[in-house]
Amino acid sequence: NAGVTQTPKFRVLKTGQSMTLLCAQDMNHEYMYWYRQDPGMGLRLIHYSVGEGTTAKGEVPDGYNVSRLKKQNFLLGLESAAPSQTSVYFCASSYFTAQTYEQYFGPGTRLTVT
Amino acid sequence: SQQGEEDPQALSIQEGENATMNCSYKTSINNLQWYRQNSGRGLVHLILIRSNEREKHSGRLRVTLDTSKKSSSLLITASRAADTASYFCATEDNYGQNFVFGPGTRLSVLP
Repeated sequence: NAGVTQTPKFRVLKTGQSMTLLCAQDMNHEYMYWYRQDPGMGLRLIHYSVGEGTTAKGEVPDGYNVSRLKKQNFLLGLESAAPSQTSVYFCASSYFTAQTYEQYFGPGTRLTVT
Repeated sequence: SQQGEEDPQALSIQEGENATMNCSYKTSINNLQWYRQNSGRGLVHLILIRSNEREKHSGRLRVTLDTSKKSSSLLITASRAADTASYFCATEDNYGQNFVFGPGTRLSVLP
């Protein structure tokens, strides 16, 4: 099993450009999450999904959109990138609610917005 | 909605020594989890302790939970250079809906 994979690993955007980050998991997990991690800070939840076709906002959702069209994939979109969105983005999945089950993390995507 | 806060922010020890890091949280929880992050990598789950448990072991890891003090500790015994990483505690947020990570403790184990 590949676990949780993220594409791409690195990306540089100019302000105002758009992009989509792809997360894929092969563990048949119901729950998927997108976090961002900034220097000296813990992970902050952007959006999450409790199942195919459903998404919900996390702690810092502004400027991002997500979609979960297939159970194994969770996409994070930036419609108009801003320098404040420079960060490392992590995707995670869990069998059921993270309150009860461990989360499995992808390797991260390092995004720089200039 | 910061819940967990690790202490200390950074810790440097010699190989073979024990490392202790603490986590404090603000509201009632169902469980608390500890994760490790090696530099440039994703987080890896270490251990989960439920609110009705006081202590849990996994290999060289020992986690305690004191719900009356709203705190947890992670002890790594006989540390190795490979234990060098950041360690995060994670708890439910104030609404019991989302999962919240603290800022982490950066552990350096010197050979």
